[in-house]
Amino acid sequence: AQSVTQLDSHVSVSEGTPVLLRCNYSSSYSPSLFWYVQHPNKGLQLLLKYTSAATLVKGINGFEAEFKKSETSFHLTKPSAHMSDAAEYFCVVGRLSGYALNFGKGTSLLVTP
Amino acid sequence: DGGITQSPKYLFRKEGQNVTLSCEQNLNHDAMYWYRQDPGQGLRLIYYSQIVNDFQKGDIAEGYSVSREKKESFPLTVTSAQKNPTAFYLCASSTYYEQYFGPGTRLTVT
Repeated sequence: AQSVTQLDSHVSVSEGTPVLLRCNYSSSYSPSLFWYVQHPNKGLQLLLKYTSAATLVKGINGFEAEFKKSETSFHLTKPSAHMSDAAEYFCVVGRLSGYALNFGKGTSLLVTP
Repeated sequence: DGGITQSPKYLFRKEGQNVTLSCEQNLNHDAMYWYRQDPGQGLRLIYYSQIVNDFQKGDIAEGYSVSREKKESFPLTVTSAQKNPTAFYLCASSTYYEQYFGPGTRLTVT
């Protein structure tokens, strides 16, 4: 079965400092991996996706993630945090059936002035 | 504008009543999905449909039912058999793996 584990439930950074949100995956085949963001009481927005092309994936709003097969990781990074980045972030892996998704439990990012 | 609409945004029901949540998309996607979100749990898959008149159970289908009579619409009924229905419900549609989400419906059952 395909699954993801987000290693931190909460991350706090200062505005202007780097962001690192950690995700490990488990998959019996080459996975499709995603990061989604959710602002309070809103739907989810796709940040970026990995589908077996380049291992370094660039997304929206300056975020990027690197697929590391040897470490089974797909960590999300951003060089400099903005206040508007404060939200819930989900690491996601695609299932084999129906293009459904398995979500991690989420990491809440707090950005302080 | 293309997108997914869910209505209503907030829904309140008494215990023992069935309630139907609406989901409509105009993205011309074949596949649609329902997820439930609880604090600290991420999203869990309730039902999904890859084509009209066909749908499959997800991980937590007990106490829920769906229909897919039109490509654009995938309503979810929360039945009285669902033991803990209070949650935030998200609908999505997709082509391949990239899913697009609606704004969600927050259901409160008392």
